[in-house]
Amino acid sequence: NAGVTQTPKFQVLKTGQSMTLQCAQDMNHEYMSWYRQDPGMGLRLIHYSVGAGITDQGEVPNGYNVSRSTTEDFPLRLLSAAPSQTSVYFCASSPRTDQYYGYTFGSGTRLTVV
Amino acid sequence: GESVGLHLPTLSVQEGDNSIINCAYSNSASDYFIWYKQESGKGPQFIIDIRSNMDKRQGQRVTVLLNKTVKHLSLQIAATQPGDSAVYFCAVLSPGGKLIFGQGTELSVKP
Repeated sequence: NAGVTQTPKFQVLKTGQSMTLQCAQDMNHEYMSWYRQDPGMGLRLIHYSVGAGITDQGEVPNGYNVSRSTTEDFPLRLLSAAPSQTSVYFCASSPRTDQYYGYTFGSGTRLTVV
Repeated sequence: GESVGLHLPTLSVQEGDNSIINCAYSNSASDYFIWYKQESGKGPQFIIDIRSNMDKRQGQRVTVLLNKTVKHLSLQIAATQPGDSAVYFCAVLSPGGKLIFGQGTELSVKP
């Protein structure tokens, strides 16, 4: 049982490049979310999903796309990277709220856009 | 939309004292209220939660209090230890699975 796995752990992109941050969980959780955390700040919700085929926007969705084709995977795509997207990105998963016992977070991806 | 705020960005306590970290929220329809601990370089770690139909919940050395009248949440840590030094976030979970975080309070424990 690996929990929530994020890859890569570190990434440097040039402005305008695109890339996908990977997130996978092996706990059969229905809920998955992506957050970004800037230095000295809290976590801001980018996109979230309540099940395969269902996604919704969070607080800061612009510049990011997601899809949820399986329960296990929830990739985050940066369409055209900008320096403002330099941040640490966290993926998290949880059972649905009637079985809730807390979101489990991955260890993060540190992204730098130059 | 939902907003979650914390009263103090930093808190310094003496080892062995009790710590109290506060949080305010705006959405009365929230389902769960959760406290997370984040150590440097790591992802947030679940500490304790409380459901919206409860006022108080206790864990090991931690207690969460929920006052729905004034939309206020607090985390109490008993006998604070150096290992408790971290940033603490409150978060609010809506019935639709949306988890929104507050800004965080950095707790420093002086030996």
